[in-house]
Amino acid sequence: DAKTTQPPSMDCAEGRAANLPCNHSTISGNEYVYWYRQIHSQGPQYIIHGLKNNETNEMASLIITEDRKSSTLILPHATLRDTAVYYCIDFPPAGGTSYGKLTFGQGTILTVHP
Amino acid sequence: DSGVTQTPKHLITATGQRVTLRCSPRSGDLSVYWYQQSLDQGLQFLIQYYNGEERAKGNILERFSAQQFPDLHSELNLSSLELGDSALYFCASSRTGGYNEQFFGPGTRLTVL
Repeated sequence: DAKTTQPPSMDCAEGRAANLPCNHSTISGNEYVYWYRQIHSQGPQYIIHGLKNNETNEMASLIITEDRKSSTLILPHATLRDTAVYYCIDFPPAGGTSYGKLTFGQGTILTVHP
Repeated sequence: DSGVTQTPKHLITATGQRVTLRCSPRSGDLSVYWYQQSLDQGLQFLIQYYNGEERAKGNILERFSAQQFPDLHSELNLSSLELGDSALYFCASSRTGGYNEQFFGPGTRLTVL
């Protein structure tokens, strides 16, 4: 079962920032936070990941709170093509039997409207 | 395009039959993962291979089996198919088996009639 909690759906106007929250109530100190998205039955697409510090890449920014119990994915200028299901995942640490295994929850359906 | 290829794109078969899904990872990736996505279960991890060896296992049914070949492509075999096996099956690959992003293929849509 997924360990993270996300709102089931969110709306965003095109051109505005989309801020997607995630609760990581049981995350352990050596688990990374990963974000993926899935556009309409296509294969999931990696977006970004981080451990403690905030991260930014060409797609998005990731803010992780100091206690690591919550994170926010920021799409700075959402477009219609960003409409998708967004998943946050606690990535299991090395050495365990679940290493490498992505556990997807229900995710957040983000709808970007004109 | 993620660089991961899966064949076939669509597969329609009958209950009780056996099918094989094929996956070619991105060039240079050593690890392959299989996921199942059904309407009621969501995206579920099935199994992972790293350089030919099984690395991690999820809730994969005994009727399902997989392997990774020396050229690193992988096959997922589904046998004694049931209606409930109808789903999208995704393959993903990563450079190694750990903290690397997984790149997903376009999936194989299996319909069991």
